[in-house]
Parts: sequence; C-alpha cells; structure tokens
Amino acid sequence: DQQVKQNSPSLSVQEGRISILNCDYTNSMFDYFLWYKKYPAEGPTFLISISSIKDKNEDGRFTVFLNKSAKHLSLHIVPSQPGDSAVYFCAASESGNTPLVFGKGTRLSVIA
Amino acid sequence: NAGVMQNPRHLVRRRGQEARLRCSPMKGHSHVYWYRQLPEEGLKFMVYLQKENIIDESGMPKERFSAEFPKEGPSILRIQQVVRGDSAAYFCASSLAQAKNIQYFGAGTRLSVL
Repeated sequence: DQQVKQNSPSLSVQEGRISILNCDYTNSMFDYFLWYKKYPAEGPTFLISISSIKDKNEDGRFTVFLNKSAKHLSLHIVPSQPGDSAVYFCAASESGNTPLVFGKGTRLSVIA
Repeated sequence: NAGVMQNPRHLVRRRGQEARLRCSPMKGHSHVYWYRQLPEEGLKFMVYLQKENIIDESGMPKERFSAEFPKEGPSILRIQQVVRGDSAAYFCASSLAQAKNIQYFGAGTRLSVL
C-alpha cells in the first residue's frame, strides 16, 4: 500500500508560469512533510518542508501548502524556470522518529 | 565538499557475487539512512543507523542484506549473493541528531547485476 501518492507522473509548464505539484497521503500519523528535487544521476536535494502545525511555508520561489483535513499537500513554484526541470518527490514522516516515506515522484518540465 | 559521499557510483556484479556500498555522512552528522530506488519508483527505506548501532532495519530484506556504521569509517551496505532483482540505485542520507527529519542525500550507487 502506498502511503504517499503523487498521482501525476509528469507535468509541463511554460517558463515564467506557476508549477503546482500535488501529493496525497493516507497515514494520519504523518506530521512532517518534505519536498525533494532530483536531477538525473544525482541524489535527491532537500527543497522545503512543513510541519503539521502549519498550513503554509514559503522559501523564495517555493511555497508548500498543507491541508490536513484532506491529507493533501502541494508545492508551488513561481515563476518557473528551465533549471527547475527535474523529478520532484514528496516525503512524509511521523514525529521525526520514523524513516521518510516517499511518493513515486513527478517529472516537471519547464519549457522556455 | 562536506556533502554525503557514496562510492562507488556504479557497481557491476555477476549473480552470486557480493556487493559493498559505502557512505560517508556529512560532517557533523551522526545518523545514516539507506534507501533503494527501483526504476520508476520512489525511494524505499531500508535501514537507519547511528554509530555502531542499528536503530531501524524494518525495510531491509531478511536475507543477504546487512548494514553497519562502525565507530571509525563509512557506513557499509552489504549485499551477499546478489540476484538480478537487486539491481537498483542505492541512496545514502545523513542527518543531525536534533533534526532527523531533514535528511541530506548522496549521489547514490547504481548497482547492476548481470
């Protein structure tokens, strides 16, 4: 069973527009969520995180929104740049004491 | 470069051989995690170690796989008698003790079993 789901395998966005990547989870015990970006032949790079006590966290062009009642989070990138083209993974954990549970990833392509 | 270092980057083994994957955590990090990624899949947790201790090995296959993080030296993920299904990318991550949620990843070792 997949506890963290990223239902869109891929997404194409024009440069300068907003990219919205979505993630759903089933385990109500998850209380910390992270987004990682991964380029080919590299390891995942930590991007941004959010605790369940918040519903929004912003860092520059990246904003993560959390809707606990819907068990849904999203990553907004605005404006999108060609260098943002990568696979984005959503991950979740319980109270910092359990391993990260990853989604399968969404491949973002930002077209110039 | 004080990042997580993994070696080798690529490893080719024949069925039945042993594979040893190494991971040096970021400077100051005492917690190490191993994940496996199969093609078109997300990363799946395997094992979590601190120096000289295995904290959580719930994701490790019961046979042929072992991990260690000795007092001195890198963490080692060891796969004995490899089979074709072991072919995958193996990623190591490390974290600070006080921020275990935020894990920093190495570039991975791509294991190919012929």
